[in-house]
Amino acid sequence: EPEVTQTPSHQVTQMGQEVILRCVPISNHLYFYWYRQILGQKVEFLVSFYNNEISEKSEIFDDQFSVERPDGSNFTLKIRSTKLEDSAMYFCASSGERGYTEQFFGPGTRLTVL
Amino acid sequence: KNEVEQSPQNLTAQEGEFITINCSYSVGISALHWLQQHPGGGIVSLFMLSSGKKKHGRLIATINIQEKHSSLHITASHPRDSAVYICAVGGETSGSRLTFGEGTQLTVNP
Repeated sequence: EPEVTQTPSHQVTQMGQEVILRCVPISNHLYFYWYRQILGQKVEFLVSFYNNEISEKSEIFDDQFSVERPDGSNFTLKIRSTKLEDSAMYFCASSGERGYTEQFFGPGTRLTVL
Repeated sequence: KNEVEQSPQNLTAQEGEFITINCSYSVGISALHWLQQHPGGGIVSLFMLSSGKKKHGRLIATINIQEKHSSLHITASHPRDSAVYICAVGGETSGSRLTFGEGTQLTVNP
């Protein structure tokens, strides 16, 4: 069964460093998302991406964040200069054809900023 | 902005009990999702529904659009059902964000 994959599963970085979180969405999906979950809190939307551009972003997704689909399979989230408060679990999700459809989540990347 | 409220926050049950988790939201939506989050953190989609009722195995989800309310039921609960159950609502356009509830921590004791 097709699934969303994410790498790495755990990333530890120093404050101020750049990190890139990688996702491989389900191959025939068109919509891609990043969410994050700070420990003990609810899941929050960061950004959605369609047709090689951002379709919606939240207040959290400031200039420190960027997303890219560098090739036909990968979808990346870059944090330019990490802060302590960026420590969280980051989930990638994808959904299929036009119209409202189910979102499929990856296993998450746990980011720890020291 | 949609607010999503879940109740209860925590639920402990004995194996075999019937479980109900509730979700209310404040603004009209296209669809509501029930998700399961395991202790390791992974999120699995259980249901997406926009009207009526859906059933999958021992899980049943219902939604009342007029009342902006949904329920997730688990029949004959089992310790392996122990997880966090999350309600999330989606807006009215393709690719729109999900807004999540706080989740309900379910523990089923043998």
